[in-house]
Amino acid sequence: GAVVSQHPSRVICKSGTSVKIECRSLDFQATTMFWYRQFPKQSLMLMATSNEGSKATYEQGVEKDKFLINHASLTLSTLTVTSAHPEDSSFYICSARVGTGVGSGNTIYFGEGSWLTVV
Amino acid sequence: EDQVTQSPEALRLQEGESSSLNCSYTVSGLRGLFWYRQDPGKGPEFLFTLYSAGEEKEKERLKATLTKKESFLHITAPKPEDSATYLCAVQAMRETGRRALTFGSGTRLQVQP
Repeated sequence: GAVVSQHPSRVICKSGTSVKIECRSLDFQATTMFWYRQFPKQSLMLMATSNEGSKATYEQGVEKDKFLINHASLTLSTLTVTSAHPEDSSFYICSARVGTGVGSGNTIYFGEGSWLTVV
Repeated sequence: EDQVTQSPEALRLQEGESSSLNCSYTVSGLRGLFWYRQDPGKGPEFLFTLYSAGEEKEKERLKATLTKKESFLHITAPKPEDSATYLCAVQAMRETGRRALTFGSGTRLQVQP
């Protein structure tokens, strides 16, 4: 089946530095990818929608200058956490949709997630 | 605003003890209702997509059903390896804009041997 891959799976960075997380669709093209954030024992919260070739759409309350999203190709989206702070420590997960229409074939797969720890 | 409520929050079963997880939703036109399994520290693993009321899908010991207001995930004769958090999510029918999933808070299932 379709696979979405994230890298790195775990990263530790110092406060004030930037860190990039990659999300790749391995065997399909994804014009749209989604970035979520998950705190321990909580559900997934949408951060932004990544659109290939155009600007990302951010959810209310998500700082676009802090969480930079680039969707440069149909198989790659990146999330860069800039000037990271300890409160940015979280589990970041991307997803991509396979299928284009309503009805069968609309499946959304998730990556394995990336643990970010800011020290 | 789309809303998804899952119950119970946590469920502990004995191996072989069948049960059901509930997902109630409100959405402005349902494009799809999704069930995922999430193990600790991992991304959600896709289980099912349901599209219309009355639809049912099965996979091994799991069966998902859908009505106009809720979905159930039935677990028949569960095994310890079925222990995980089960997430329900909806996708709204929109031509443009937000097509991401709205998630419930999940049901943490623990199956004891």
